[in-house]
Amino acid sequence: NAGVMQNPRHLVRRRGQEARLRCSPMKGHSHVYWYRQLPEEGLKFMVYLQKENIIDESGMPKERFSAEFPKEGPSILRIQQVVRGDSAAYFCASTFGTANNEQFFGPGTRLTVL
Amino acid sequence: ELKVEQNPLFLSMQEGKNYTIYCNYSTTSDRLYWYRQDPGKSLESLFVLLSNGAVKQEGRLMASLDTKARLSTLHITAAVHDLSATYFCAAGGGADGLTFGKGTHLIIQP
Repeated sequence: NAGVMQNPRHLVRRRGQEARLRCSPMKGHSHVYWYRQLPEEGLKFMVYLQKENIIDESGMPKERFSAEFPKEGPSILRIQQVVRGDSAAYFCASTFGTANNEQFFGPGTRLTVL
Repeated sequence: ELKVEQNPLFLSMQEGKNYTIYCNYSTTSDRLYWYRQDPGKSLESLFVLLSNGAVKQEGRLMASLDTKARLSTLHITAAVHDLSATYFCAAGGGADGLTFGKGTHLIIQP
């Protein structure tokens, strides 16, 4: 049973470009969380999605960031017009059923903005 | 707003010694998690603590939860070098996700 998959694992972008990060949850999981980890910090919640629905995006910056989890395919975190401060590790986690179930984390995408 | 504080943030210790990492959280939480992260890697789940007085042990690591004091501890017994990593506690986990502490960077020297 494959775990949570994320790609790419490493992503380099120049300022002003777009970054697309993908997350495929564990088989049977229909809930996805996205977190951001800055260097030497803990993870910070960004957004919580179920299939075709954004449930809570209270941790996501209001501009340039968006997330989706379509009926088919992976969840996508999109960052438009990236800036150097967006450089971080982005992790997704998936759960089965309700939001209170244990979250299983993917390997992360490390975004570097030049 | 839920806040989670860990201490110490940095810990250097010698093999064979015992030590405890503390995790305080500010509001009621149904559960408390401990994770391990190696440099450049993802988070590995260590323990999920679900109720007051819960104690779980795995090898040289033991975690406990006191919901009245809003305190969890991760105790390391007879540390070995392989336990060097960053350890995070996290609480919450509802629709607004987990709230993590800043992590404890643990270095165990031979």
